[in-house]
Amino acid sequence: DIQMTQSPSSVSASVGDRVTITCRASQGIGSWLAWYQQKPGKAPKLLIYAASSLQSGVPSRFSGSGSGTDFTLTISSLQPEDFATYYCQQAQSFPPWTFGQGTKVEIK
Amino acid sequence: EVQLVESGGGLIQPGGSLRLSCAASGFSVSNIYVSWVRQTPGKGLEWVSVIYSSGSTYYADSVKGRFTISRDISKNTVYLQVSSLRADDTALYFCAGNLPFHPWGQGTLVTVSS
Repeated sequence: DIQMTQSPSSVSASVGDRVTITCRASQGIGSWLAWYQQKPGKAPKLLIYAASSLQSGVPSRFSGSGSGTDFTLTISSLQPEDFATYYCQQAQSFPPWTFGQGTKVEIK
Repeated sequence: EVQLVESGGGLIQPGGSLRLSCAASGFSVSNIYVSWVRQTPGKGLEWVSVIYSSGSTYYADSVKGRFTISRDISKNTVYLQVSSLRADDTALYFCAGNLPFHPWGQGTLVTVSS
């Protein structure tokens, strides 16, 4: 199975900060990478698919990049509603589809 | 509006069984992938099973032989029969559509404990 490793596991940031989260796959996955946001008590929400495509309705301050094994989620200017946990997921055509362990974005 | 709603979770003894349901609205479960994903504080998000639009099914190694995914197109519902439950199956179980996963249901909690 493909292992997904996120870093950091948590980050403290202030409103307005630029935040970058990285995700590394144990083998190449092309651009088959998705990012999700999860708030406490809620289901994950799809933010980015195909490594860099913004899901409909997601603010443009979120962006994704990368291909192969190394990927990045960037929040260009952190807003109060962005404090949450973020997960990457490899989404190649065949299961199992594995997730990173999550990155918690906390208020500084 | 596309929506998924899970039900069927609860407290169950080790070795027991439950049937989880995922009712869809706004789209047909016969046209998309529907997966089950579980979440625990210790192991994070874990994909469990998928049923394709073709009806083909796949499982994570951790549940193979114990869990069974199925669907009833007339009820627009996907099921996950969970059997031979163990303590480490305790989790919040979500269903999710498509790949990548969108939409998600709100989750149903399965607690395995004596």
